Amino acid sequence: EDQVTQSPEALRLQEGESSSLNCSYTVSGLRGLFWYRQDPGKGPEFLFTLYSAGEEKEKERLKATLTKKESFLHITAPKPEDSATYLCAVSSGNTGKLIFGQGTTLQVKP
Amino acid sequence: DSGVTQTPKHLITATGQRVTLRCSPRSGDLSVYWYQQSLDQGLQFLIQYYNGEERAKGNILERFSAQQFPDLHSELNLSSLELGDSALYFCASSSAERAQYFGPGTRLTVL
Repeated sequence: EDQVTQSPEALRLQEGESSSLNCSYTVSGLRGLFWYRQDPGKGPEFLFTLYSAGEEKEKERLKATLTKKESFLHITAPKPEDSATYLCAVSSGNTGKLIFGQGTTLQVKP
Repeated sequence: DSGVTQTPKHLITATGQRVTLRCSPRSGDLSVYWYQQSLDQGLQFLIQYYNGEERAKGNILERFSAQQFPDLHSELNLSSLELGDSALYFCASSSAERAQYFGPGTRLTVL
């Protein structure tokens, strides 16, 4: 059964303190791994798609990487506005359905 | 703004009732997905439609049904509502099974 596990559940950082979020996955035939950002009461906002091991994507202070078993979302010099829940999801098979992890809630203090 | 719209934003109803949630996908997207998000279950896939046809089903209850219309908008129907159905319901759309873009959601409260 396809499964996604994210760690840590919660992360508190000081502004400027870089860190990484982990997403471990078990899937038969990965078609894509997705990172989303979700603010309270809002819909998930698409960040990145990674398709194969070794791939990396960057956007502002965020960088996502992928291996055969896990993905990392690196946050460099975070700001308070980066505070949100970060969701990881995978798709497999011949449909586009996403299997989500439980998310990592990031709080960045000024 | 993802380009996906959902109505209504909030819905408060009583147990046993039936409600309809509506979703309009991004322009050009043929796939529509429905997800349920509750505090204890996280984001759970319910059902996918592609160009009017059901494409995939998740753990969707028999009391729930959906359809996609010729203009590509979709509706999720929830009937015989129970307290446990209270959740955020999201619609997402995509093109050619690439990244899914989510709408703002409908918050359903069953009293």
